[in-house]
Amino acid sequence: GEDVEQSLFLSVREGDSSVINCTYTDSSSTYLYWYKQEPGAGLQLLTYIFSNMDMKQDQRLTVLLNKKDKHLSLRIADTQTGDSAIYFCAERMDSSYKLIFGSGTRLLVRP
Amino acid sequence: DVKVTQSSRYLVKRTGEKVFLECVQDMDHENMFWYRQDPGLGPRLIYFSYDVKMKEKGDIPEGYSVSREKKERFSLILESASTNQTSMYLCASSQGQPQHFGDGTRLSIL
Repeated sequence: GEDVEQSLFLSVREGDSSVINCTYTDSSSTYLYWYKQEPGAGLQLLTYIFSNMDMKQDQRLTVLLNKKDKHLSLRIADTQTGDSAIYFCAERMDSSYKLIFGSGTRLLVRP
Repeated sequence: DVKVTQSSRYLVKRTGEKVFLECVQDMDHENMFWYRQDPGLGPRLIYFSYDVKMKEKGDIPEGYSVSREKKERFSLILESASTNQTSMYLCASSQGQPQHFGDGTRLSIL
């Protein structure tokens, strides 16, 4: 079945690195995504990775994909208070346009 | 930059009303989507459209319909609004990858 799971909450100190984890169940996933949502707002695309890649880096963001374990992570370097938000992991299956989202991880950055 | 514009940020309607939520994208994308997001959950797909006048049901289509008469515009219709349709509604568009989202419409049904 289709299921994406994330931990609910992460708290880090400003300047530290944050690592947000996600597991998914469908081995036919072709793309995996990270979106950020600030209170009352829509979803902002942060980055995405194709399933034949292991890693993708984009400025402060590093995505790691372990396809064998169906595990995706997002590392944010030098975390800032403006990074406080909810982060959603999502997968897209090979045969469908739709995205399956996790329930989101709330990141709190302490000054 | 992709721009997906939803017509209202906040909307309050009454039970039984017919409600229209509008979404416009400016990048000539083939695909458009409507999602619903409830508190503490990720978005869930209601309907999507892969071309003008073409649509497919998502995971939670009951109580909703959609219309896509022009490529840039995708409308979500609540035929007879009910209180359990109070939620945040998100529109997205894509041409291949990835999906880009609008700012959302927070809909309250009283």
